[in-house]
Amino acid sequence: NAGVMQNPRHLVRRRGQEARLRCSPMKGHSHVYWYRQLPEEGLKFMVYLQKENIIDESGMPKERFSAEFPKEGPSILRIQQVVRGDSAAYFCASSPAGGADTEAFFGQGTRLTVV
Amino acid sequence: KQEVTQIPAALSVPEGENLVLNCSFTDSAIYNLQWFRQDPGKGLTSLLLIQSSQREQTSGRLNASLDKSSGRSTLYIAASQPGDSATYLCAVGGGFKTIFGAGTRLFVKA
Repeated sequence: NAGVMQNPRHLVRRRGQEARLRCSPMKGHSHVYWYRQLPEEGLKFMVYLQKENIIDESGMPKERFSAEFPKEGPSILRIQQVVRGDSAAYFCASSPAGGADTEAFFGQGTRLTVV
Repeated sequence: KQEVTQIPAALSVPEGENLVLNCSFTDSAIYNLQWFRQDPGKGLTSLLLIQSSQREQTSGRLNASLDKSSGRSTLYIAASQPGDSATYLCAVGGGFKTIFGAGTRLFVKA
């Protein structure tokens, strides 16, 4: 059973371009969470999705950021018109259930650099 | 609102020392607490998970304790090695309510 797979591992974008980050959860997991880690900071929750639904997006910036988890395929975190401040490591986690007592398993992250 | 604090922010010790990393949290109503290791530019490696009903977990040279009433957890590393050098993150809560501390950067000198 492969772990949570994120790709690409590293992504470089010019200011104004779009960034698409992918996350394939562990087999059998239907709950996905995205976190962002800014340099020298801890991970901050962004969004929680269950298949085809956004459950909580309280940590998502109001503009330019969106997330989806379609019925088929990986979860996508999309950042439009990237700016230098978007440079960070983006981590995805998945769990088999959505309760707060459920352990989430983390991917290796995607490091986005905006130049 | 849950806040997680890790002290110290950075720590440098000689090889062989036993050491303690601290994590404190403001809301004791948690489901679990997890310690992760993060190497520079890398992802997260889960070290130990303590459920709210437990008081400690052990894995090899690592021991983590949880005291919900005081809002504290400690990660004890015995006989530290240079390979232990990394950032150690404490994560409190569970599921999408997991809140991370900023981490303790550990450097073990050979």
